[in-house]
Amino acid sequence: GAGVSQSPRYKVAKRGQDVALRCDPISGHVSLFWYQQALGQGPEFLTYFQNEAQLDKSGLPSDRFFAERPEGSVSTLKIQRTQQEDSAVYLCASSFNRGREAETQYFGPGTRLLVL
Amino acid sequence: AQSVTQPDIHITVSEGASLELRCNYSYGATPYLFWYVQSPGQGLQLLLKYFSGDTLVQGIKGFEAEFKRSQSSFNLRKPSVHWSDAAEYFCAVGPLSGGYNKLIFGAGTRLAVHP
Repeated sequence: GAGVSQSPRYKVAKRGQDVALRCDPISGHVSLFWYQQALGQGPEFLTYFQNEAQLDKSGLPSDRFFAERPEGSVSTLKIQRTQQEDSAVYLCASSFNRGREAETQYFGPGTRLLVL
Repeated sequence: AQSVTQPDIHITVSEGASLELRCNYSYGATPYLFWYVQSPGQGLQLLLKYFSGDTLVQGIKGFEAEFKRSQSSFNLRKPSVHWSDAAEYFCAVGPLSGGYNKLIFGAGTRLAVHP
């Protein structure tokens, strides 16, 4: 079956430009996560959705970052007025359901964003 | 605050040699622990996970990891490394917060394999 897909895979933006990154989770997965991975670092949590509800946005670094999942499937991470420090790989992950056990998160290949 | 430390940034081993990647965590309760592997241009793939029970966990691709509460460690091992194991490895802890796993990752260990 299809895994998590993300588009575009690569994005070059000029400083100040707005960008939108798309995530298509595995069909039927309730939970969706966004992570940011800076060069040479591990991924860092940005935000979490359960269906269409954004339950946790504590990791979003500034109010220039905005995420949505209006129909509980596809999600978009939008970055307004991009800055050079936004350059990173943005990873999306989904899992079937929230649960009391350590659910596996399935990761997409990521979108590599370079802000010039 | 919860944190994960992977002391080795880069490790090189010969093909066929054994491997151990170290992971230490800081967490107030019994954590959920994960090892992921990331190949260039690829997303993260789960190798194995621990949340209770037997402290020796078997994963895919011949990997295993042992949870040692007294040492706050969850080291990853493989008895014989293959060239295809060259990748970056991430240890993560998953505090179950409000019913979901907000993963906290270490900085990763890059593994190189010599023929």
